[in-house]
Parts: sequence; structure tokens; C-alpha cells
Amino acid sequence: QKEVEQNSGPLSVPEGAIASLNCTYSDRVSQSFFWYRQYSGKSPELIMSIYSNGDKEDGRFTAQLNKASQYVSLLIRDSQPSDSATYLCAVNKDSNYQLIWGAGTKLIIKP
Amino acid sequence: EAQVTQNPRYLITVTGKKLTVTCSQNMNHEYMSWYRQDPGLGLRQIYYSMNVEVTDKGDVPEGYKVSRKEKRNFPLILESPSPNQTSLYFCASSSFDGTYNEQFFGPGTRLTVL
Repeated sequence: QKEVEQNSGPLSVPEGAIASLNCTYSDRVSQSFFWYRQYSGKSPELIMSIYSNGDKEDGRFTAQLNKASQYVSLLIRDSQPSDSATYLCAVNKDSNYQLIWGAGTKLIIKP
Repeated sequence: EAQVTQNPRYLITVTGKKLTVTCSQNMNHEYMSWYRQDPGLGLRQIYYSMNVEVTDKGDVPEGYKVSRKEKRNFPLILESPSPNQTSLYFCASSSFDGTYNEQFFGPGTRLTVL
């Protein structure tokens, strides 16, 4: 089992709909969770960070964390073609100062 | 402008020819890291540094060396590159206050080893 797992996609969503991206992790004591967006050929950039159970909203983006289920998700409301990218989930390791990254989910927003 | 710079951006080399990829940040960040990104495998950490003269192995350190003599610079050295080191490399930095903060990434270096 990978330490951080994401569905590779592609996930195709109509413009204006809600895109839902999921990530599961194996380390029960992880405390820090991040969603990064990566456009093709570009470097990752931070979208959301979340540290406690529940929802965290920032504009059209909502991160949801459920530590009991070891599950973190990213919702994108009113999806736009510019949201088409690969979304990377990153989780800290308990034992040292490392982030472990999922392989990413490719999201395609269809006009 | 706050940024992380990497050089070169593209490099084609041959097996065994030593090379260095430079990384520099102007944000006075304590934490710096090198990743490689391969299709289907995501970002994998090679080495990281918590501060000057403090470095540690990530998940895939074999075949790589790093040094942190100055806070702003964190070069990645491939002493004897091999074709399996063909990859997209990213340098990243972040402030560190005991918790994880946003990592800022450089533009990437695409390395091909023939």
C-alpha cells in the first residue's frame, strides 16, 4: 500500500460543476495535509492546507479532513477550465520532517 | 520578487559525467528540499535540509549528494549520472517554525542522461 494514494484520473467535470478530489494516507499520526495544483510542465503551487478534522474553505476551494478514516479531500465549486491541472496531495510523516506526496489526480474541466 | 531559482532548466548529459544542479532562494527559508518527479510516481524526496550544514536523506537518495553551506543555496550533485536518473527535478523551500508551511518550488530542471 502506498503511503499517500490518489486516483490518477483523468477526472472529467463539466464547467460550473463541483469537482471532488480524494486522497487517502496510511500514517495514522500525520498532522499536516496539503493540496497542490500543478499545471502541465510547471511547478506545484499550494492550494490549501488543513491541520484539523472538518472543513476548511477558501474561495471556491474546500478541503475536508477525516483523520479517523485517514482521508482528505478537495472540493472545487463552480469549476472553470483554468482549474484543469494535476492536483497533488501531500502528507507529513510522523518520524521526521518529510512530506509524502501522492502521484496526483489529473482534472479536466470541460467547457 | 520572492522566488526559488534552479539552473540549468534543461540538461542532456551522458552516463558518468558529473553534474551539479543549482538551487537558490531569496526568502531566507530554513528548509530546502530536492524532489524528482516521474510519471505515475509523483514527487519523491531526494534530500532535504533543515538549515545550514544540516542535511538528511529523503526516500530516494542513492546516486545524489547535496550540501548546504549557505542558507540560500542547496545544490544537487550527481557524481556519476545514470540513465535511471533521467527525470524532472524540483527544488523547494519553506520557512520552518516547528510546523509545516507552504513549500515554494523552483521552475524545475529536466535532466536526460544518455
